[in-house]
Amino acid sequence: EVQLVESGGGLVQPGGSLRVSCAASGFALSTYWMNWVRQAPGKGLEWVANIKPDGSEKHYVDSVKGRFTISRDNAKNSLFLQMNSLRAEDTAVYYCARDDQLAPGGWYFDLWGRGTLVTVSS
Amino acid sequence: EIVLTQSPATLSLSPGERATLSCRASRSVASYLAWYQQKPGQAPRLLIYDASNRATGIPARFSGSGSGTDFTFTISSLEPEDFAVYYCLQRSDWPITFGQGTRLDIK
Repeated sequence: EVQLVESGGGLVQPGGSLRVSCAASGFALSTYWMNWVRQAPGKGLEWVANIKPDGSEKHYVDSVKGRFTISRDNAKNSLFLQMNSLRAEDTAVYYCARDDQLAPGGWYFDLWGRGTLVTVSS
Repeated sequence: EIVLTQSPATLSLSPGERATLSCRASRSVASYLAWYQQKPGQAPRLLIYDASNRATGIPARFSGSGSGTDFTFTISSLEPEDFAVYYCLQRSDWPITFGQGTRLDIK
């Protein structure tokens, strides 16, 4: 079955660190751009970061630049998000999402995991 | 940053009725716009990409139109399972941005 499964969420204090993971199965992660998207409780969706198939290019939303690092291990079919200097406003469900080119020039998130909840609170 | 503004925020309709949702971009995104459906406790699901193309397995009652800055998403005849939150997404420029969502409620 083609799927993404996130793990590693939990409760962390403000200023702390956490690493969340995403395990891919049923397809080769190495051929896709991959993304992290988050959703604060009761709020909308916010794209956080993405990474090129070979890991050579990464992009981040301004609010996490310098604090979060996206990485991947294609040999283990896994995606990661290292989150440092966490703030209360980083509290959210973190989804990993696969990017696919569905049309010329058109890249979209076509496969999502079920998410992992990160709570930043003292 | 391209801001996507969805309207209305909430839409209350009955099964069998037609739903029309709007997404307006702060500057042109050409046709690089998608629509997603999200139900409580679930991940979003891709419905429409490139403004008007249905994703694999999506029923024909779902459709999208528009280009540039104004986009419309339509459900021709609402089924009970269609009541959810709908988001638009642009892939024209960095950062990737979503609209704030339209909640489609049962009337």
